[in-house]
Amino acid sequence: QLQLQESGPGLVKPSETLSLTCTVSGGSIRGSSYYWGWIRQPPGKGLEWIGSIYFSGSTYYNPSLQSRVTISVDTSRNQLSLKLTSVTAADTAFYYCARHSSPSLGDLLPRFDYWGQGTLVTVSS
Amino acid sequence: EIVLTQSPGTLSLSPGERATLSCRASQSVSSSYLAWYQQKPGQAPRLLIYGASSRATGIPDRFSGSGSGTDFTLTISRLEPEDFAVYYCQQYGGSPLFTFGPGTKVDIK
Repeated sequence: QLQLQESGPGLVKPSETLSLTCTVSGGSIRGSSYYWGWIRQPPGKGLEWIGSIYFSGSTYYNPSLQSRVTISVDTSRNQLSLKLTSVTAADTAFYYCARHSSPSLGDLLPRFDYWGQGTLVTVSS
Repeated sequence: EIVLTQSPGTLSLSPGERATLSCRASQSVSSSYLAWYQQKPGQAPRLLIYGASSRATGIPDRFSGSGSGTDFTLTISRLEPEDFAVYYCQQYGGSPLFTFGPGTKVDIK
């Protein structure tokens, strides 16, 4: 059974960089026909897609965050990472990693089918 | 950007009743690119429906999806106690690549 687990600091100071890792177990990122994405959710609010990466390193980002976001993948560790720079209180949220299919990889029904449990990151001094 | 609007914001129903949730897109969305998720407090979202009408693995058949173009519907035929949750629609395509609706909360009347 595929499992995703987010990890990283729960508290980040304003103007600093938020860094999270998602470890995938029960399956391999390398060679899979899936993208791996990050989605966030401010407490009590809705979901926002941050960006996605393929094991080759190909990425897509949400234009609203693109200038501050970097998503990378480490296939040797079966992990993906998220870096968000210059954070403010507005970046306080639960951060989820999730797997999704894509028409570009041959699946015409894109959806997020596996999710991590999420991790809360609070931006505060 | 394709904006998704969900209605109602909150739906108050009793167990056994039928729930009809609406998701409207600001422009036409391919049916293949519309999905629904359920989220319970303290949990990650769970995929329910993809391709507008295909149930995800393990999802009971009381959940069904329909619609096309700009109007999509999630129907729960008979609410079970575990169905009281928040439901999100999501579309793929355009920029940003994925967007989610604001959610509909189904709570116990």
